[in-house]
Amino acid sequence: ETGVTQSPTHLIKTRGQQVTLRCSSQSGHNTVSWYQQALGQGPQFIFQYYREEENGRGNFPPRFSGLQFPNYSSELNVNALELDDSALYLCASSFGDRVNSPLHFGNGTRLTVT
Amino acid sequence: AQSVTQPDIHITVSEGASLELRCNYSYGATPYLFWYVQSPGQGLQLLLKYFSGDTLVQGIKGFEAEFKRSQSSFNLRKPSVHWSDAAEYFCAVKETSYDKVIFGPGTSLSVIP
Repeated sequence: ETGVTQSPTHLIKTRGQQVTLRCSSQSGHNTVSWYQQALGQGPQFIFQYYREEENGRGNFPPRFSGLQFPNYSSELNVNALELDDSALYLCASSFGDRVNSPLHFGNGTRLTVT
Repeated sequence: AQSVTQPDIHITVSEGASLELRCNYSYGATPYLFWYVQSPGQGLQLLLKYFSGDTLVQGIKGFEAEFKRSQSSFNLRKPSVHWSDAAEYFCAVKETSYDKVIFGPGTSLSVIP
């Protein structure tokens, strides 16, 4: 069973730039959720994709966008980067049509915006 | 709005001592409850989950948690802590309508030899 993998592991960007983070879901999982974890805080829900459709979004501006592909992998795109976007970005996969399916997390992408 | 609180920001215990990490949630119905652990620079690993049934649930690494509806609590316990348990612990609640999971702010655990 292949777990959740994220790439890249680390990234440094300049304010105003755009970034794309990638996530491969665990084998068989059809739902991907993205979280932002600032230093010393709990993960904050960004959005979730189920079968290629966004079906839930947290309190993040539209410059945070995503995609899910037919193989259930996913991308998180952030435009017009701000210093406060510096954080660990976590991807988690699950069976979205099973309410008792827990999230399985990748190791995250550490984004630094300078 | 649904929320999760973890009253203890940081806890220090001696190796071999017992541990209890507190978690309270606000949600009208019976939620799905989780505890996750995060080592530095890593993702989150599921320790245990509660969906229904027996209110005392067993997890990995010798952890257990008890759901108390009357107190809206889901406290994590371990009878004897090991140095390798030092990490950040997150309580989380899942909405039943879809797969959105809300996390608490976390409790940082330090273990003294």
